[in-house]
Amino acid sequence: RKEVEQDPGPFNVPEGATVAFNCTYSNSASQSFFWYRQDCRKEPKLLMSVYSSGNEDGRFTAQLNRASQYISLLIRDSKLSDSATYLCVVDSGGGADGLTFGKGTHLIIQP
Amino acid sequence: NAGVTQTPKFQVLKTGQSMTLQCAQDMNHEYMSWYRQDPGMGLRLIHYSVGAGITDQGEVPNGYNVSRSTTEDFPLRLLSAAPSQTSVYFCASSYFLGPEGGYTFGSGTRLTVV
Repeated sequence: RKEVEQDPGPFNVPEGATVAFNCTYSNSASQSFFWYRQDCRKEPKLLMSVYSSGNEDGRFTAQLNRASQYISLLIRDSKLSDSATYLCVVDSGGGADGLTFGKGTHLIIQP
Repeated sequence: NAGVTQTPKFQVLKTGQSMTLQCAQDMNHEYMSWYRQDPGMGLRLIHYSVGAGITDQGEVPNGYNVSRSTTEDFPLRLLSAAPSQTSVYFCASSYFLGPEGGYTFGSGTRLTVV
């Protein structure tokens, strides 16, 4: 069974701090990796894809470690608006049924 | 550009009733899927489609039917609602999967079965 594991949190972090969380996946054949953001009672929205070489988008950095089968998300200079649940999503290929969602990590940025 | 539109946003059903959740996208996406999200659970795939006329079952298909007669529409039918189907339902679409892909989700339907 394909599994994606995340620490559910909550992570309580002061505004301006740096926070990082990891996600582990069980299927070594997984091909694509994403981070989604979900606000309370809203739909998930794509935050960023995760590339093998790692990638950065403003204050957000995503990294992939295939050997240890985990991906990470780093948020620098955290803002109050970063408070949300962050979903790790892994695509093991084979079409639309290949996407596996983690249960999410809840992040609370405190003023 | 509306993206993915789901209707209704909220629904209360009695046990045994049937209904259809509507999903439409205007992005010409080939892939469409239905997920349910329950407290403490990740999103779980119910049914999906890789194009008009093609559908397949996901992880939790029992009690649900789908059809894909057009590229734009992907309705989800609850055949005989049960309290266990109380959940938030999300429809999603994607042009293709892979590093440059990613799903666009509708705003969800909150369903309560009493």
